[in-house]
Amino acid sequence: EIVLTQSPGTLSLSPGDSATLSCRANQNISTYSLAWYQQKPGQAPRLLIYGSTNRATGIPDRFSGSGYGTDFALIIYRLEPEDFAVYHCHHYGTSPTFGQGTKVEIK
Amino acid sequence: QVQLVQSAAEVKKPGASVKISCKASGYTFTTYAMHWIRQAPGQKLEWIGWINPSNGNTKYSQNFQGRVTITRDTSASAVYMEVRSLRSKDTAIYYCARDNFYDGSVWFDPWGQGTLVTVSS
Repeated sequence: EIVLTQSPGTLSLSPGDSATLSCRANQNISTYSLAWYQQKPGQAPRLLIYGSTNRATGIPDRFSGSGYGTDFALIIYRLEPEDFAVYHCHHYGTSPTFGQGTKVEIK
Repeated sequence: QVQLVQSAAEVKKPGASVKISCKASGYTFTTYAMHWIRQAPGQKLEWIGWINPSNGNTKYSQNFQGRVTITRDTSASAVYMEVRSLRSKDTAIYYCARDNFYDGSVWFDPWGQGTLVTVSS
């Protein structure tokens, strides 16, 4: 089973800062199968990035995904107030799995 | 637009069963698989299983095999998930999410709004 480990657990940043979120898999996975979601309190997850690097429709270009093999990252440039949320990475395999999430909070 | 609307919150006693619905609109229902995922308080998202609405084929996570059944009604464009022998650890928000694929990439989008299931005596 693919296990995804996200770090850090919490990022405390200010609006205008950049955020780098890590997602590490316990074995090599396809870049096609890695996605990122944003989740705000009381809401369902919302797709940000699919195929490791592709922004979903309507997602601003300050969100950027990268990585391959076992190491993937989501970078959020110039944090806006609405970007403070929890971010989940996701591996779509024969048994899909998720990371434990990274909370980006206002410092 | 593509939309998934789930049934309302449920409160159940330990040992009971619950059946949640997810009604799809805005696309051809039989074209895309549907997944169920849950999020227990303070826990990560956990995949439960999926169904192919065109033929009813299903696959379940080993963690839920034998206790969960996913079905569909193509005439209603709806997917259902029944969880049996509920225990307090099943208290969670349950989401349906549509399968997506393009150019080799695969992901879940959109998601339903979630259904809170509370298991309490």
